[in-house]
Amino acid sequence: IQMTQSPSSLSASLGDRVTITCQASQDISKYLNWYQQKPGKAPEVLIYDASNLEAGVPSRFSGSGSGTHFTFTISSLRPEDFATYYCQQYDTVPRTFGQGTRLEIK
Amino acid sequence: EVQLVESGGGLVQPGGSLKLSCAASGFAFSSYWMSWVRQAPGKGLEWVANIKIDGSEKYYADSVKGRFTISRDNAKNSVYLQMTSLRVEDTAVYYCARAGLSYGYERYWGQGTLVTVSS
Repeated sequence: IQMTQSPSSLSASLGDRVTITCQASQDISKYLNWYQQKPGKAPEVLIYDASNLEAGVPSRFSGSGSGTHFTFTISSLRPEDFATYYCQQYDTVPRTFGQGTRLEIK
Repeated sequence: EVQLVESGGGLVQPGGSLKLSCAASGFAFSSYWMSWVRQAPGKGLEWVANIKIDGSEKYYADSVKGRFTISRDNAKNSVYLQMTSLRVEDTAVYYCARAGLSYGYERYWGQGTLVTVSS
């Protein structure tokens, strides 16, 4: 299953609302996760099963969608949110990641 | 505290073999699926393989199927990745990861170990 994220990169300012989309090449139901990765660090899961916020993750992060179209939103950007974000499907083996969205400071 | 510590990375020639290990602590290891995910330098994430709690099910990315083998030893709280017929394109940081509440996502990650395949 191919996962296509858009945009590939994004410039935004502190306090902005940001949305990233992920399109699956076939129906994956709700089996979609979102990860954040900072330079030189391992990824961290933010959202699992399309819309479930992982414990300890701030509520400014949210996810929605099902089937083939998914969105990830940060409601109000904070300095620590500038990172790369990846979607990942686990409906079908092999699990596949999107190509990533690099979120930069404007 | 959940800890995952990878080891075994290094420089290997194309066609060579390498075995990665991941030592787990701070949780009931035998209760969780475990995975390996890699990241080539400057590139995105690529899921490599995962293994069920008792080792009875194993799944692989197409790019490594037939060359890599994932295994686990619940008595030693460890998961392994045996890599053979290594290619230049296998060069990456390899992360060990533990599943979350469901087996569908990777909740905890190690710091990664670098594998470089080069002549």
